Amino acid sequence: GGIITQTPKFLIGQEGQKLTLKCQQNFNHDTMYWYRQDSGKGLRLIYYSITENDLQKGDLSEGYDASREKKSSFSLTVTSAQKNEMAVFLCASTSGVSGNTLYFGEGSRLIVV
Amino acid sequence: GDSVTQTEGQVALSEEDFLTIHCNYSASGYPTLFWYVQYPGEGPQLLFRASRDKEKGSSRGFEATYDKGTTSFHLRKASVQESDSAVYYCALSDQGYQNFYFGKGTSLTVIP
Repeated sequence: GGIITQTPKFLIGQEGQKLTLKCQQNFNHDTMYWYRQDSGKGLRLIYYSITENDLQKGDLSEGYDASREKKSSFSLTVTSAQKNEMAVFLCASTSGVSGNTLYFGEGSRLIVV
Repeated sequence: GDSVTQTEGQVALSEEDFLTIHCNYSASGYPTLFWYVQYPGEGPQLLFRASRDKEKGSSRGFEATYDKGTTSFHLRKASVQESDSAVYYCALSDQGYQNFYFGKGTSLTVIP
């Protein structure tokens, strides 16, 4: 088995601030994802990466940057935090094999004051 | 593009009631279909999946059958328990195997 660790669990910042969320996985998975979770809106894809140094934009990438400097880690940066961006951010990974399972971390909650 | 539609946003049932959560999808070919469950404070976790037409997935008393004709993968359980209270997501993985599409989620509350 493996685990996905997201840090921090709660990230508090001020409006306009640049804030970074980190994700580590020990599954040795190739593909990693960042999703934003808002109540009643489901999970929306922000960025994903199919290998080290690769980045692919999802539907919600505007206002975010991502970085995949090594296979086991994937970070997400909110470039200028806004109060309407308060949500839970979920990191996930999969091996990329046909129909394989997506594994999630426990989530990081962004609070903008 | 590919998409998943869950009809019910919130469901409230009493213990031992029958549960149905409707899931319809739009995708070309044969996507893999999933049900995920998310408990408070945790990330979503796989309940089960199905990859072929007429395949039934099941776990913990929950089940769903892949129906390509009606493009559906409805979640059912014969007798729910309070511990089943959670958010349930229907999802699909496209044939490129990199993209996952999620429904908006259904919040299930089971009243003892």
